[in-house]
Amino acid sequence: EPEVTQTPSHQVTQMGQEVILRCVPISNHLYFYWYRQILGQKVEFLVSFYNNEISEKSEIFDDQFSVERPDGSNFTLKIRSTKLEDSAMYFCANGGETVNPPLHFGNGTRLTVT
Amino acid sequence: AQSVTQPDIHITVSEGASLELRCNYSYGATPYLFWYVQSPGQGLQLLLKYFSGDTLVQGIKGFEAEFKRSQSSFNLRKPSVHWSDAAEYFCAVALILTGGGNKLTFGTGTQLKVEL
Repeated sequence: EPEVTQTPSHQVTQMGQEVILRCVPISNHLYFYWYRQILGQKVEFLVSFYNNEISEKSEIFDDQFSVERPDGSNFTLKIRSTKLEDSAMYFCANGGETVNPPLHFGNGTRLTVT
Repeated sequence: AQSVTQPDIHITVSEGASLELRCNYSYGATPYLFWYVQSPGQGLQLLLKYFSGDTLVQGIKGFEAEFKRSQSSFNLRKPSVHWSDAAEYFCAVALILTGGGNKLTFGTGTQLKVEL
């Protein structure tokens, strides 16, 4: 079964630094998503991405966040100036080949901001 | 706004026993419903989904779920639990976004412990 691959599995960064979380989604699927899960809390929607642009974003996804699909394969989430409260597990997800809900999740990147 | 409630935070069952994890949702239209499983340090794996049609859906690993519109429920069941089923289980409902795509709203999860 095709997989969504995320790197790194764990990232530690200092407050104020920029981080880029990387994902290799399933290429022929239509929609791409980022979700996050703060420790002990619910999984939360951040952003959906379709046809090389953001199709929807949550209130969490402020100006500090951006997404890109720079080369047609990788899908990145950038946090420009990290805050302590950005510490979370970040999941990349794909919709299916013919349906849009996020069906395939990566294993996540655990971001720790110190 | 849509919401999902998983009333049981922790459940413990004996290996071989049956399992039912509860999920109630609030959504104005016909929902897309999902169950995901998360093992420690792992991502979210889709167990099963309901879009339309037969209200009893079969998933992977021997799981099934039944959509009951009258009760706004989508409970997950398994007739005989295996020790490897110990994990956290998330119910989710999808909101169709105006820009296309879907936004999942997750429940808080149910942590399943299996006693040998």
